[in-house]
Amino acid sequence: GAVVSQHPSWVICKSGTSVKIECRSLDFQATTMFWYRQFPKQSLMLMATSNEGSKATYEQGVEKDKFLINHASLTLSTLTVTSAHPEDSSFYICSARDLYMGGRNEQFFGPGTRLTVL
Amino acid sequence: GESVGLHLPTLSVQEGDNSIINCAYSNSASDYFIWYKQESGKGPQFIIDIRSNMDKRQGQRVTVLLNKTVKHLSLQIAATQPGDSAVYFCAENIRQAGTALIFGKGTTLSVSS
Repeated sequence: GAVVSQHPSWVICKSGTSVKIECRSLDFQATTMFWYRQFPKQSLMLMATSNEGSKATYEQGVEKDKFLINHASLTLSTLTVTSAHPEDSSFYICSARDLYMGGRNEQFFGPGTRLTVL
Repeated sequence: GESVGLHLPTLSVQEGDNSIINCAYSNSASDYFIWYKQESGKGPQFIIDIRSNMDKRQGQRVTVLLNKTVKHLSLQIAATQPGDSAVYFCAENIRQAGTALIFGKGTTLSVSS
């Protein structure tokens, strides 16, 4: 199946710093990528939908100035957590939708990035 | 197994038993449903999907049942193995809208040998 990678797999940073997380589709083109956040023992919560070449659409309650999303190519989307604080510590997961899967709308998930803010 | 329609956050079974995991979905317009398995520290792993024009679909050791009347989805795992221990999530969306998947509450399956 299609492969999605994330980098880094884990990161620890100091409060107030910014962290960039990359999401790449390795063997397919993705017009749309989705970013989710998952707190311990909870479900995945959608943060934003990222379409290549256009601005991301954020879910209610997600600050677009804090979580910057860039989707500059069909294989790469980045999420930057700006001025991170301990409450931003979470597991961030991206998924990508294959341009050529047609109506099946199958999404492929990355392995996740564990962010810990001290 | 457990009662149909009841979502439990945890399910403990013995190896070899059949497991039934339930999910209630929220949007009556959803027409595509997926079950995912998530192991600790990893991303969701696709198990099986079903479209709203079906009420049952079978895979290898897994069966998904869809009841649109009560907006209920279930995952049946036959002959559960220790390697099946994980958190299971159902997800839904409106397929042609191309929107993100919306995840339900997870169920932690623990299989003891």
